[in-house]
Amino acid sequence: AQTVTQSQPEMSVQEAETVTLSCTYDTSESDYYLFWYKQPPSRQMILVIRQEAYKQQNATENRFSVNFQKAAKSFSLKISDSQLGDAAMYFCAYRSADRYNDMRFGAGTRLTVKP
Amino acid sequence: DSGVTQTPKHLITATGQRVTLRCSPRSGDLSVYWYQQSLDQGLQFLIQYYNGEERAKGNILERFSAQQFPDLHSELNLSSLELGDSALYFCASSVVPAVAVSSNTGELFFGEGSRLTVL
Repeated sequence: AQTVTQSQPEMSVQEAETVTLSCTYDTSESDYYLFWYKQPPSRQMILVIRQEAYKQQNATENRFSVNFQKAAKSFSLKISDSQLGDAAMYFCAYRSADRYNDMRFGAGTRLTVKP
Repeated sequence: DSGVTQTPKHLITATGQRVTLRCSPRSGDLSVYWYQQSLDQGLQFLIQYYNGEERAKGNILERFSAQQFPDLHSELNLSSLELGDSALYFCASSVVPAVAVSSNTGELFFGEGSRLTVL
């Protein structure tokens, strides 16, 4: 079974600085999707960024970018120019692309942004 | 707005009771997923339906059941409730990855959740 591990329960960053959240996963599949979701205090699940495993190029969405290392099964999220509104729980997630499959989540990393 | 609608948003009930949570997926999505998030924890997969049929089961208790109706809305039934069942219950929908749809991004679209409090 696929597992997703987020080894940082909590992280802190100064406003305008850069922070990287770590995620590793375990799978024997070759085709899959990886995601980072943000959950602010409202508890809504918001998609931050998405990566298809067959794409070698790292995904980027404005201030958010990923470092996808397929061989190492690593998928980290970098937040540049951190803003107060970035404070939230961040979940890394894995989903198989070739089956009717659910999405598996890591335990989450709570990000605090200091003014 | 994700397009996924969940009702009720909040529910308070007593131990031993039964509740039903409802979910309407995004227009066109055939697959519905239910997740449970206990306080300050990750999302635990409960069950998945595709076009009315159960497709996958996660850590769903026997006291819990779900179904997906012909109009594709889904209901999660929680019975003999215990204090530990207090949680945020999310419904999500998606295009099934196995379908060759160019717009398919693999993403799950989440509702705002139903917060259940068992007293």
